[in-house]
Amino acid sequence: SQTIHQWPATLVQPVGSPLSLECTVEGTSNPNLYWYRQAAGRGLQLLFYSVGIGQISSEVPQNLSASRPQDRQFILSSKKLLLSDSGFYLCAWRLAGGLSSYNEQFFGPGTRLTVL
Amino acid sequence: GNSVTQMEGPVTLSEEAFLTINCTYTATGYPSLFWYVQYPGEGLQLLLKATKADDKGSNKGFEATYRKETTSFHLEKGSVQVSDSAVYFCALSLGKTSYDKVIFGPGTSLSVIP
Repeated sequence: SQTIHQWPATLVQPVGSPLSLECTVEGTSNPNLYWYRQAAGRGLQLLFYSVGIGQISSEVPQNLSASRPQDRQFILSSKKLLLSDSGFYLCAWRLAGGLSSYNEQFFGPGTRLTVL
Repeated sequence: GNSVTQMEGPVTLSEEAFLTINCTYTATGYPSLFWYVQYPGEGLQLLLKATKADDKGSNKGFEATYRKETTSFHLEKGSVQVSDSAVYFCALSLGKTSYDKVIFGPGTSLSVIP
């Protein structure tokens, strides 16, 4: 069966510090991968998605970046965090190809980031 | 453009009450429709889905019917429990091969009180 992991689960970082959040998927190959942010009491904001190794599409210009160094690894980074980067970060995967619109996304447990 | 609209709540119900959370969408083409649930402090989980008009998705006592004529996918449950307290997201997918994106509504917070 497929599983998705995210770490760390919680993180408290000072403004201006770097960030690295990691997401890995097991039990599937060549998934589509996604990073979302959920601010307190708000909906989901799609940040990045990837359809393959090294292929990253950005939805919202900001001080965050994403990378996909391996098929099932997706990393969210920042060189300098802002207060507004606080939120709940969710990674998700989805089967790609074919009638992929039928396929649901599977979400990780999330990372709670607080920037002070 | 493509979008999903849903009541944001919060919705507060007594245990065993009937639940309806409205969801309407705007989309080009023929989307698949989903309801996800997020329990406090957790990621989202798929609750149910429907991939074509008149399909009914169901799970854990929840149901939603894909209504193309009204572009709606309302979530219903006949008798809610305290454990149903969560945030519910309606979503659509158009699934193009090189741009595989899911569009979420803003989420509806549900609190069920004993």
